[in-house]
Amino acid sequence: LAKTTQPISMDSYEGQEVNITCSHNNIATNDYITWYQQFPSQGPRFIIQGYKTKVTNEVASLFIPADRKSSTLSLPRVSLSDTAVYYCLAILTGGGNKLTFGTGTQLKVEL
Amino acid sequence: DSGVTQTPKHLITATGQRVTLRCSPRSGDLSVYWYQQSLDQGLQFLIQYYNGEERAKGNILERFSAQQFPDLHSELNLSSLELGDSALYFCASSVGREPERIVDNEQFFGPGTRLTVL
Repeated sequence: LAKTTQPISMDSYEGQEVNITCSHNNIATNDYITWYQQFPSQGPRFIIQGYKTKVTNEVASLFIPADRKSSTLSLPRVSLSDTAVYYCLAILTGGGNKLTFGTGTQLKVEL
Repeated sequence: DSGVTQTPKHLITATGQRVTLRCSPRSGDLSVYWYQQSLDQGLQFLIQYYNGEERAKGNILERFSAQQFPDLHSELNLSSLELGDSALYFCASSVGREPERIVDNEQFFGPGTRLTVL
């Protein structure tokens, strides 16, 4: 069964770098890997998207190895406001291409 | 504010009933996605429309259906409701610049409709 898995939770302190890895073992070849942030009672919000290697924007970096079976979201110097749930999103094969969210990682940032 | 609107915000109904959830995408966005979020299942993709046509299907039950209208707004119809259908239903839209990809661009999510089935 194609799955997208992430750690359930992570704790960090303000100012630290946080890396969250998502495993997507049966990823389709043509679509992007995307990461979203979600606060309670809100819809997910786009963070970053990539196809392969490394992508960086003003808030995060995304590392994707050549086989694309995993991806790592890197948040530099987190702050309290980064406390949220982070989801990866990928297209998985197996019974047709399926748009699949990861299980979500609850990040808690403390002082 | 993502620019995606969903109505209603909350909906409480009884088992066996039928409801319609409505979504208005951002101006200019051609793709609309529907998702269900529940505590036990997480975020589940239901269905995607691109410019009025069904583009991709996820774990959408046969009791559920959707459509995208010529003005690009979309509706999700849920029928014969069961207790387990209680969830947050999100709509998202994207530009759809690369229609050959299921996920081609950033998706903008609406605030969601919270459905409670009693």
